[in-house]
Amino acid sequence: SAVISQKPSRDICQRGTSLTIQCQVDSQVTMMFWYRQQPGQSLTLIATANQGSEATYESGFVIDKFPISRPNLTFSTLTVSNMSPEDSSIYLCSALGLASYNEQFFGPGTRLTVL
Amino acid sequence: TQLLEQSPQFLSIQEGENLTVYCNSSSVFSSLQWYRQEPGEGPVLLVTVVTGGEVKKLKRLTFQFGDARKDSSLHITAAQPGDTGLYLCAGETGGFKTIFGAGTRLFVKA
Repeated sequence: SAVISQKPSRDICQRGTSLTIQCQVDSQVTMMFWYRQQPGQSLTLIATANQGSEATYESGFVIDKFPISRPNLTFSTLTVSNMSPEDSSIYLCSALGLASYNEQFFGPGTRLTVL
Repeated sequence: TQLLEQSPQFLSIQEGENLTVYCNSSSVFSSLQWYRQEPGEGPVLLVTVVTGGEVKKLKRLTFQFGDARKDSSLHITAAQPGDTGLYLCAGETGGFKTIFGAGTRLFVKA
């Protein structure tokens, strides 16, 4: 298994500003992902963070709004740009385990509130 | 578009009762995971099922994968307040992609 930490754990931001969320894994992993989750609801995949290349975004998510970095095999950042109240959500990063199946290990999440 | 339907969406039961959560799809999955998430934390992996008809037990939790690998169930026996949380099923669709069910919010009253 992998232990994943995220910073910040929560933040309250003003409309129009940007926030960068950091995700640190305690071991090298091949795949890292970023999700968005409304409290008590399911997860929506934003993008796959690729090491050494541009992230792969899901439908409805674009790089200008959610730029992602993955400088090495243990670290990734997600920036939420030009925020609006609609961006208020929980943002989770995850990493794929070493098993053959899509077993993911998740960070504790970042709760973002945009005023 | 692949969908993974999860039911019920919400369940409130008394301690000691049994319950079953269902995940259904028209798609075939190469594997399926069950996660539990508590408030303020990320989802935690409970189990992976791979083979059609497979049954796995984790203490009071029993997981079953359908014969055609399109559906799965989670049965909890004698639920306890510590079982309270959001239960998510997730199906592997290939290419490291996973789709998540809508989740079942379980509340077990003491």
